[in-house]
Amino acid sequence: EVQLVESGGGLVQPGGSLRLSCAASGFTFSDHYMGWVRQAPGRGLEWVGRTRNKANSYTTEYAASVKARFTVSRDDSKNSLYLQMNSLKTEDTAVYYCTRGSGSLNSWGQGTLVTVSS
Amino acid sequence: DTQMTQSPSTLSASVGDRVTITCRASQSISNYLAWYQQKPGKAPKLLIYKASTLESGVPSRFSGSGSGTEFTLTISSLQPDDFATYYCQQYNNYLTFGGGTKVEIK
Repeated sequence: EVQLVESGGGLVQPGGSLRLSCAASGFTFSDHYMGWVRQAPGRGLEWVGRTRNKANSYTTEYAASVKARFTVSRDDSKNSLYLQMNSLKTEDTAVYYCTRGSGSLNSWGQGTLVTVSS
Repeated sequence: DTQMTQSPSTLSASVGDRVTITCRASQSISNYLAWYQQKPGKAPKLLIYKASTLESGVPSRFSGSGSGTEFTLTISSLQPDDFATYYCQQYNNYLTFGGGTKVEIK
């Protein structure tokens, strides 16, 4: 069974940093594109960014709203995905979901809440 | 950037109704479109990919159609478990989601 379990969410002040983690199991992690999608309270879904697999050189892509502030990385030896978030803004407050897929996203974690507030 | 516009934003329907949700892309995305169902407090669930391919385990009352810029999700006979919010998502150029359609009980 595919499982994605996020951790690392919490309360952070504007301008601060936070690192989210996603532990994957039940599939060959290194074969897959992995990424992050977020959802602000009461709002819709917003793609954040992704990392391709080893066969595609682990290249990364980001939404314009987070580019240069957020970094997606992975450690295939640990079956783990990460999201480093810097220079956080109040509008980054959201549930962050870890996802699997190169186009359509066929697996999602349960999400972790990030609150950016003073 | 490719923008995705869903309509309606809210839909009131009864059990047994046929329901159709529309998604429009700001430019052609071929058939690189997915549909998701999300219930309150839960992660989204993939229903359909490549515009019309049903994900494994998804009931056959769900169907998708379209290509280019116009797409539809149809639920042939609405069931109690189907009251939820539905999102379209393009993956022709990065990833972009539509604003969502909430299907509520009439």
